[in-house]
Amino acid sequence: DQQVKQNSPSLSVQEGRISILNCDYTNSMFDYFLWYKKYPAEGPTFLISISSIKDKNEDGRFTVFLNKSAKHLSLHIVPSQPGDSAVYFCAASSTTSGTYKYIFGTGTRLKVLA
Amino acid sequence: DSGVTQTPKHLITATGQRVTLRCSPRSGDLSVYWYQQSLDQGLQFLIHYYNGEERAKGNILERFSAQQFPDLHSELNLSSLELGDSALYFCASSVDTGVYNEQFFGPGTRLTVL
Repeated sequence: DQQVKQNSPSLSVQEGRISILNCDYTNSMFDYFLWYKKYPAEGPTFLISISSIKDKNEDGRFTVFLNKSAKHLSLHIVPSQPGDSAVYFCAASSTTSGTYKYIFGTGTRLKVLA
Repeated sequence: DSGVTQTPKHLITATGQRVTLRCSPRSGDLSVYWYQQSLDQGLQFLIHYYNGEERAKGNILERFSAQQFPDLHSELNLSSLELGDSALYFCASSVDTGVYNEQFFGPGTRLTVL
């Protein structure tokens, strides 16, 4: 049972344009969400997070939007740069479950074309 | 460099064998998490240790076990290996427990079972 879904395995975007990566979740207990970025031969690195008390969080070129009613979040990268080419994982967690574990999606491979 | 080290980087072994994967967390981090990433899958949470004690278990098979030692390094033991155990195994560490504590990932160990 995939509780966190990233339905687009890959995405190609022109340099300078906006990249939008999507993520859906099914568990209504999730109240903390994260995006991790992964380059080949490296471990994932934290990018940005959002708590369910907010619907938007911004960090430089990266913005995460959360739609709780739709159980959907998205990551916007503006403007996209070739160095952003990586696999992006969405993750979710419950602050009340007591287990502190992240549930990850399957990832979206972003390719930014120069 | 996340500060989390994992050894070995690559491991090739045969079905039925037993292997040990090692993880050294970032200096000062008390929590260690293990994840498995199979082909085209997201990162599956396996187990979480905090200061030597098991805190949470995920989808970890009975053939797998882990421990965290007094110096806080952790080992993941995989026994009676099957072809389907071939995957990338990531270790992550964080300062404390709690979902708000960022998890820093190591570069992973790629296990190939032939």
